[in-house]
Amino acid sequence: KQEVTQIPAALSVPEGENLVLNCSFTDSAIYNLQWFRQDPGKGLTSLLLIQSSQREQTSGRLNASLDKSSGRSTLYIAASQPGDSATYLCAVKAYGGSQGNLIFGKGTKLSVKP
Amino acid sequence: ETGVTQTPRHLVMGMTNKKSLKCEQHLGHNAMYWYKQSAKKPLELMFVYSLEERVENNSVPSRFSPECPNSSHLFLHLHTLQPEDSALYLCASSQDLGPSGVFGNRETQYFGPGTRLLVL
Repeated sequence: KQEVTQIPAALSVPEGENLVLNCSFTDSAIYNLQWFRQDPGKGLTSLLLIQSSQREQTSGRLNASLDKSSGRSTLYIAASQPGDSATYLCAVKAYGGSQGNLIFGKGTKLSVKP
Repeated sequence: ETGVTQTPRHLVMGMTNKKSLKCEQHLGHNAMYWYKQSAKKPLELMFVYSLEERVENNSVPSRFSPECPNSSHLFLHLHTLQPEDSALYLCASSQDLGPSGVFGNRETQYFGPGTRLLVL
């Protein structure tokens, strides 16, 4: 059974710092991995999607990497800002799973202090 | 604005009530989803619809009943719920179910803001 783990559960950093969020998954047979952002009491916003054959994706100050063989992904945020404060969720779409079924981690709650 | 709207945003109901959650997507997508987000648990997929047909029901109790009358609308009908059903219910949509290959992102899911449900 595919399981997704995100460490740390919470992270507090000063503004301007570069930071890395970690995601690991137990079964490397995945189609893709996606990072989402969730603001308090709100829905999810897709940040980056990495297909299984890709190693990284970049969008602005965000860079996500994927090492499928080791079951790991990282989300790198450069020059963090208070507006980056949110919960970041990682999800994988696994082979053999139900159609459209994303397996989510519990998230990392990020707080960027001014 | 994600293009996916949900109503109501907040709902309080008793265990004997019947209520419905509504989701509408303005993105021209073919697939829609219901998720449940409970405190301290990962997001859980409940139902998946593709082209208005249910393709997945993840062992959800029958007190939750989905309905997809057309590709733009998705409902979740609630009856005789339990207090442990209190959660944030999220709707999402995607162009297709996927997978769409190396260069395709047709399965990227776009989420609504959710309905915060409290069952007393």
